Amino acid sequence: QVQLVQSGADVKNPGASVKVSCKTSGYPFTFSGITWVRQAPGQGLEWMGWISPYNGHTNLEQKFQGRVTMTTDTVTDTAYLELRSLRSDDTAVYYCARDFDSGGSGYWGQGTLVTVSS
Amino acid sequence: DIQMTQSPSSLSASVGDRVTITCRASRDIGNYLAWYQQKPGKVPKLLIYSASTLQSGVPSRFSGSGSGTEFTLTISSLQPEDVATFYCQKHNSAPFTFGPGTKVDVK
Repeated sequence: QVQLVQSGADVKNPGASVKVSCKTSGYPFTFSGITWVRQAPGQGLEWMGWISPYNGHTNLEQKFQGRVTMTTDTVTDTAYLELRSLRSDDTAVYYCARDFDSGGSGYWGQGTLVTVSS
Repeated sequence: DIQMTQSPSSLSASVGDRVTITCRASRDIGNYLAWYQQKPGKVPKLLIYSASTLQSGVPSRFSGSGSGTEFTLTISSLQPEDVATFYCQKHNSAPFTFGPGTKVDVK
């Protein structure tokens, strides 16, 4: 069955970087895009961007350009999200999700809580 | 960028009630709209894509309609397990923006 398993919770100081992994299985990794979404405590869903594991093409929400890097490893079928220059308002649960060609994200990782605090 | 809005922001209804949530896009997005359900403490779940296509396994009491700039999610008979926040998301082109969410409670 399709699974997306994310790395564990992390605590970072302001100004640091964090890298969240998303290990996929159960489907051809290069056949579907991977979307990253975050959710601050008590807030709604925020789309961060998308990556194609087929060719590495990315499309980032403008507010994250320059601070976010999305990558994939087609050997291990893993997607990565790196967020730099962390601020307290980056504290959130970060989700990866597998996109459907027909639209929407049909399979989600369990989420990774990133806490930014000094 | 296209902005997504939802109304109401929250609602409370009785079991068996018909519930309707509206999502509006600031520009025409065709039928490229998805709906998600997020239960408290859980991962979002895709309910509907392409405005009206029910994702496999989703109960038939959920339905979606609309095109262009106005869309609706309807729960034909609200159940206790439907307590959740519902989000719309455009999926015509990036950025795939979410709406702010509608919180649904059962009276």
